[in-house]
Amino acid sequence: QSALTQPPSASGSPGQSVTIPCNGTSSDVGGYNHVSWFQHHPGKAPKLIIYEVTKRPSGVPDRFSGSKSDNTASLTVSGLQTEDEADYFCSSYAGDNNWVFGGGTELTVL
Amino acid sequence: QVQLQESGPGLVKPSQTLSLTCTVSGGSINSGDYYWSWIRRHPGKGLEWIGYMFYTGSTYYNPSLKGRVAISIDTADNQFSLKLYSVTAADTAVYYCARVGFSDYHFDSWGQGTLVTVSS
Repeated sequence: QSALTQPPSASGSPGQSVTIPCNGTSSDVGGYNHVSWFQHHPGKAPKLIIYEVTKRPSGVPDRFSGSKSDNTASLTVSGLQTEDEADYFCSSYAGDNNWVFGGGTELTVL
Repeated sequence: QVQLQESGPGLVKPSQTLSLTCTVSGGSINSGDYYWSWIRRHPGKGLEWIGYMFYTGSTYYNPSLKGRVAISIDTADNQFSLKLYSVTAADTAVYYCARVGFSDYHFDSWGQGTLVTVSS
């Protein structure tokens, strides 16, 4: 069982928006703004797409956005494209040089 | 652009030691800007942070693995390594190396991962 809880799957049609939640506790997601999201295509290196809850690294489309409310962080993908089909997982700093991750959500673009 | 690549045996026998190496290219492992980390993903499950090391030798490990894990750095070869002792089938996973910013607190670069199976 993962420390952070994500739904195993999500889906949407091209052009639609989908939001993926990442549920933690006050000791991780709720306690720090060091929440990140990663996009992972099978066989490739995971790619950082959101860090510090809302920030996007250079080169990541603004269709990807992050937010947080209490102990739940969320990733929203707007204007879904076929290439967005991938596994998405979250991570959070949990204090005392400890880190926790989510179980991953497989996003399908219908 | 920095790249990380894991290497090591894909099969380890129970009770033995799992050993993996991560080779870093396009950046110096002793730049002082990053922790060098190992993370794993069990089949069909989420990811688990194993631990990380700063180039000075400071190491931090997941409490659930403490006592069985050791991370080391070879600055001459720009590599860092993972040893996991007394493995069982529960240690079967895809192992990733990654770097996390010393002051940025996010994993910004990852390797592709390598599957390690624990089986006799």
